[in-house]
Amino acid sequence: NAGVTQTPKFRVLKTGQSMTLLCAQDMNHEYMYWYRQDPGMGLRLIHYSVGEGTTAKGEVPDGYNVSRLKKQNFLLGLESAAPSQTSVYFCASSYEQRALWEQFFGPGTRLTVL
Amino acid sequence: AQSVTQLGSHVSVSEGALVLLRCNYSSSVPPYLFWYVQYPNQGLQLLLKYTSAATLVKGINGFEAEFKKSETSFHLTKPSAHMSDAAEYFCAVSGEYGNKLVFGAGTILRVKS
Repeated sequence: NAGVTQTPKFRVLKTGQSMTLLCAQDMNHEYMYWYRQDPGMGLRLIHYSVGEGTTAKGEVPDGYNVSRLKKQNFLLGLESAAPSQTSVYFCASSYEQRALWEQFFGPGTRLTVL
Repeated sequence: AQSVTQLGSHVSVSEGALVLLRCNYSSSVPPYLFWYVQYPNQGLQLLLKYTSAATLVKGINGFEAEFKKSETSFHLTKPSAHMSDAAEYFCAVSGEYGNKLVFGAGTILRVKS
């Protein structure tokens, strides 16, 4: 099993450009998450999904949109990138709602917005 | 609502010395607590978790943590540091039926030879 994969690994955007980050998991997990990691701030939840066709806002959702059309995929979109969105983005998945089921993380996407 | 405070953004120890990374939490419901490790340029990997069973939890790579309700703490320890332990460590909290983790700011562990 590949676990959680993310594409691309690196990306540089200009202010105002758009892009989509793809997360895929092959563990048949119901729950999927998008986080951003910034120095000294830990991981902050952007959006999450509790199942195919569902999405919900996390702690820092502004400027991002998500879609979960297939159970195994969770897409994060930036419609008009801003320098404040320069960050490392992590996708994670988990089996079910109860927190005792750990979250599995992808390797991350490093995004720079100029 | 839950929150996590990790004391010390950077910790430096000598190889073979005790590792102690501090985590204090705040939670309005009985917490589930986690420690994750992130090696350079990698995603997060679960070290250990507390889920209301034994208060002393053993994890991978010789790490353990003790849940102390009276102190609202979940400190991570390892008796003898190894060079390969150099990484960033994150403490996280969730409620029993919560579907979201709240992470601390992280502690970077440096191991000196």
